Amino acid sequence: QKEVEQNSGPLSVPEGAIASLNCTYSDRGSQSFFWYRQYSGKSPELIMFIYSNGDKEDGRFTAQLNKASQYVSLLIRDSQPSDSATYLCAVRPGNTGKLIFGQGTTLQVKP
Amino acid sequence: DAGITQSPRHKVTETGTPVTLRCHQTENHRYMYWYRQDPGHGLRLIHYSYGVKDTDKGEVSDGYSVSRSKTEDFLLTLESATSSQTSVYFCAISETGLVSTEAFFGQGTRLTVV
Repeated sequence: QKEVEQNSGPLSVPEGAIASLNCTYSDRGSQSFFWYRQYSGKSPELIMFIYSNGDKEDGRFTAQLNKASQYVSLLIRDSQPSDSATYLCAVRPGNTGKLIFGQGTTLQVKP
Repeated sequence: DAGITQSPRHKVTETGTPVTLRCHQTENHRYMYWYRQDPGHGLRLIHYSYGVKDTDKGEVSDGYSVSRSKTEDFLLTLESATSSQTSVYFCAISETGLVSTEAFFGQGTRLTVV
């Protein structure tokens, strides 16, 4: 089992809809969780991070964390064509300093 | 943008030859990482460093070695390149390994082994 798992997609949503991206992780000692966005041919860039159970909102983005279920999600409200990218979930397991990524979910927002 | 420079940006090499990729940072961050990215696999951690001369293995370390003799430089070496090591390689840096610390990425190096 991979340490961090995501559905590779593609996930296709119409413009203006809510996109929901999901991620599960295997290490219960994981303490922090990151969402990165990567446009084709570019480097990953951080969207937001979360380390407490519950929701964290930043503009159109909401990260949700449920440590009991080992599940983290990213909601994108009012999706725009410019949101079309690959979204990577990353986890810091325990106190190792490692940063482990899932395989990424490709999001397509159609006008 | 975080001061991270990867070199070279593109390289084509032959099977069996040694290859070294360089990551240089100007941020004085303690942690440095090497990842490879292949279709369907996301980013996979090869090796990381938590200080000068302090390194550890990641998920896919076989066939790779690293060295960090200065805070600002982290080198990834393929001792004898194979076609399976054709990939895009990303370096990342992080100020600490603490839970809330994000990582910043370099521009990537596209390596082709023929």
